[in-house]
Amino acid sequence: EAQVTQNPRYLITVTGKKLTVTCSQNMNHEYMSWYRQDPGLGLRQIYYSMNVEVTDKGDVPEGYKVSRKEKRNFPLILESPSPNQTSLYFCASRALLGPSGANVLTFGAGSRLTVL
Amino acid sequence: KNEVEQSPQNLTAQEGEFITINCSYSVGISALHWLQQHPGGGIVSLFMLSSGKKKHGRLIATINIQEKHSSLHITASHPRDSAVYICALLSNFGNEKLTFGTGTRLTIIP
Repeated sequence: EAQVTQNPRYLITVTGKKLTVTCSQNMNHEYMSWYRQDPGLGLRQIYYSMNVEVTDKGDVPEGYKVSRKEKRNFPLILESPSPNQTSLYFCASRALLGPSGANVLTFGAGSRLTVL
Repeated sequence: KNEVEQSPQNLTAQEGEFITINCSYSVGISALHWLQQHPGGGIVSLFMLSSGKKKHGRLIATINIQEKHSSLHITASHPRDSAVYICALLSNFGNEKLTFGTGTRLTIIP
């Protein structure tokens, strides 16, 4: 089944304890991206990647790191989490090449992160 | 002024009604996505369009690039269509930056 898999789905952590949220897709998509969703602010893009070793900042990259060493994986790293990073996080991917009908985004199920 | 505005913010309708959700924007774009977020939180991408009109089942999306406006229509609405619908602008600078609308919460009453 074509899908984007995020882990963990739920996490409660404490300020300053490094954590990684993994994202993996099995569709050979070039593009992958991370978003956070907060009440009243909606979805905002954190980082995105257009291919292996190519990453770029979205609108809210502060406090986050990403890497794209393999095409299928795009982990989101919080080196020193703070309470303002408490949020619902989504990973998504899409094909950049091929017929335009295939270019819709496929989202992961979301990861709810709480930083105390 | 926000780059993207959706209207209405909330919409309640009876089952069977024709639904229209609007997305207006003020910047140049290369394409626009329509997304559906169900009460459980999962997000599904409905359409990506850069011109004209696309149809999938009871859903129709249109875009007018010159007027900087897109609409999502639902025909013969059903309670399972109840969700938040979000438009997202894809930058025309050759990158993949996305800017999201704040969403329209649709409730269909049986």
